[in-house]
Amino acid sequence: DAGVTQSPTHLIKTRGQQVTLRCSPKSGHDTVSWYQQALGQGPQFIFQYYEEEERQRGNFPDRFSGHQFPNYSSELNVNALLLGDSALYLCASSSRSGFRSGNTIYFGEGSWLTVV
Amino acid sequence: AQSVTQPDIHITVSEGASLELRCNYSYGATPYLFWYVQSPGQGLQLLLKYFSGDTLVQGIKGFEAEFKRSQSSFNLRKPSVHWSDAAEYFCALPGDSSYKLIFGSGTRLLVRP
Repeated sequence: DAGVTQSPTHLIKTRGQQVTLRCSPKSGHDTVSWYQQALGQGPQFIFQYYEEEERQRGNFPDRFSGHQFPNYSSELNVNALLLGDSALYLCASSSRSGFRSGNTIYFGEGSWLTVV
Repeated sequence: AQSVTQPDIHITVSEGASLELRCNYSYGATPYLFWYVQSPGQGLQLLLKYFSGDTLVQGIKGFEAEFKRSQSSFNLRKPSVHWSDAAEYFCALPGDSSYKLIFGSGTRLLVRP
């Protein structure tokens, strides 16, 4: 059973460019969340997708956007990249009930983004 | 507002020694609490979680954590550390939904041979 898979694992972009990161949730999960983890910090919630719609958003600017496809996979897009966007981007998947029903939120290995 | 504090940025222990990683939280009610581990180059793996009931929670890899409401703490412990336990450990609690986790800044564990 494949867990949460993310691609690419590493990438380097230039300031002002745009980037797309991809995530496939764990089998049986239909909800995807994205987190940003800057160096030396804990992950911070960006947004969550369920039924192809953004359901909740953290404190991130509109440059961060996403999409969820009918097969539950998801993309994170970041426009007009800044040096401060350099971070590990983690995808998390869960069932629609989240963790409050005793379920586990599973994380992928992340995509390392370096903005130069 | 909910928050998690992990007071120790780095901890170094000798292999075979006991370990305790501290986590303090701020939450309006009794929270769900989680410990995740992140090994180099890997994503986050759930070690254990507290939802309710018994305040001593057993997890994977020989870890346990104790919820202490009076101290707003959820410290992670292991009686004998192995070199493979070297990693970054994160304490987390729920945000304002069933999908959002708020993480502490992490504690990096180094294990001396």
